[in-house]
Amino acid sequence: AQSVTQLGSHVSVSEGALVLLRCNYSSSVPPYLFWYVQYPNQGLQLLLKYTSAATLVKGINGFEAEFKKSETSFHLTKPSAHMSDAAEYFCAVSDRGSGNTGKLIFGQGTTLQVKP
Amino acid sequence: ETGVTQTPRHLVMGMTNKKSLKCEQHLGHNAMYWYKQSAKKPLELMFVYSLEERVENNSVPSRFSPECPNSSHLFLHLHTLQPEDSALYLCASSQDMGNTEAFFGQGTRLTVV
Repeated sequence: AQSVTQLGSHVSVSEGALVLLRCNYSSSVPPYLFWYVQYPNQGLQLLLKYTSAATLVKGINGFEAEFKKSETSFHLTKPSAHMSDAAEYFCAVSDRGSGNTGKLIFGQGTTLQVKP
Repeated sequence: ETGVTQTPRHLVMGMTNKKSLKCEQHLGHNAMYWYKQSAKKPLELMFVYSLEERVENNSVPSRFSPECPNSSHLFLHLHTLQPEDSALYLCASSQDMGNTEAFFGQGTRLTVV
C-alpha cells in the first residue's frame, strides 16, 4: 500500500529565507509524486510532479523538488520565500502500475507561514 | 480559473435534507474524481469515473451517491447526512485515469446541521 508522510504540520520562515517542506513516501512500485498548494477557501493547484524523468523537478512560483529513491523522499524547496507563498502544501503519490485509477494518496499537509 | 467549476461553493443542510453537488470540467478530460477534505485529515478519494463509468468506490457510505451523466459533468447526491460529513468536497479531473495531472475545482464547503 502507498502512503505519504509530511514531516511538520506547520513551518514558519521569514520572508526571503529558504523554504523546505519535507515529504517521505512509501510505495511498492515506482511512484509518481506530486506537490499541490491550497490557498484559503480554494481548491488544490499543482506545483510540480515527478514522473520518472529528471529527479530534480522544477515547478511554478520558483519551487522545485528532488526525488531521492534511496531516501524515499520528495522534499519541496524554494530559495527565497515570499509572503504570497503562505498556504497549505500537500505531497501526494500515485501508483504507476497497471490498473491505476489515477488515485492520489495525500499527506496530512503542511501549513507554511511567511513572516515579514 | 482552473477549468473545473463546482457549485455551490457553500452549502448548509439539515440531516434530513437531500441536496446535490455539481462539478463541471471544461478541459476535455475523460476521468473525474470526488475527494473529501475534512479538518485534520488527509484528503480522501471517494469516487473515480472514467468515460462516465464508475471505476472506484472507496468504501463510501451509501448516503453519498455519485452520478456522471457525461464526461464533462459529475454530481454528488447527498441524503440523510451526518454532522461528521461536514467537509470540503473537491472535484478533480484528469485527461485519463492513471498518472496524469489532476486539476481541482475550488470545492464545496458543506456543513451538516
